[in-house]
Amino acid sequence: NAGVTQTPKFRILKIGQSMTLQCAQDMNHNYMYWYRQDPGMGLKLIYYSVGAGITDKGEVPNGYNVSRSTTEDFPLRLELAAPSQTSVYFCASSGQGLENTIYFGEGSWLTVV
Amino acid sequence: DQQVKQNSPSLSVQEGRISILNCDYTNSMFDYFLWYKKYPAEGPTFLISISSIKDKNEDGRFTVFLNKSAKHLSLHIVPSQPGDSAVYFCAASAKGGATNKLIFGTGTLLAVQP
Repeated sequence: NAGVTQTPKFRILKIGQSMTLQCAQDMNHNYMYWYRQDPGMGLKLIYYSVGAGITDKGEVPNGYNVSRSTTEDFPLRLELAAPSQTSVYFCASSGQGLENTIYFGEGSWLTVV
Repeated sequence: DQQVKQNSPSLSVQEGRISILNCDYTNSMFDYFLWYKKYPAEGPTFLISISSIKDKNEDGRFTVFLNKSAKHLSLHIVPSQPGDSAVYFCAASAKGGATNKLIFGTGTLLAVQP
């Protein structure tokens, strides 16, 4: 049971480049999330999904896009990378409801130069 | 507007003593609170939670206390162990909606000295 798997773990992008952070979970969770954590800050929700085909914006969605074509996968797309997107990105998943534990991936370190 | 605040960026405690990590919130709609623990280069892992209908929840060495009138919660670790050294995030969630969207605090780095 791998849990939540994110790739790549590290990436350096040039300003204006695009990339996709991949996320997969094998726990059959309906809910999936993308968070970012900036130095000295808490995690901020970028986008989330409550099931295949359904996505919604979180606190900080600008500059990102997501899709959810399957229950397992929830990729995060950066279209035009900017230095402000330098951060650590965490994908997560959970079952339905407030009392379900959210499981996080190990994180993806992204630097935009 | 930081709705969940952890005002102590760091805390140092001797092994075997009690660690107390504090968290304050401003949104009265929050009704579920969680603590997550994060080691370097890893994702956060769930530690303990509490619903607003309770004022205390205990799990082994970890106890969370909730004071709704003060909009304050705290995590007690007794006894503290060197393996507890990590960043601890407080998180809160509001009622309503079909999804759980957590608001995280900025974290407190706990260092347990042997």
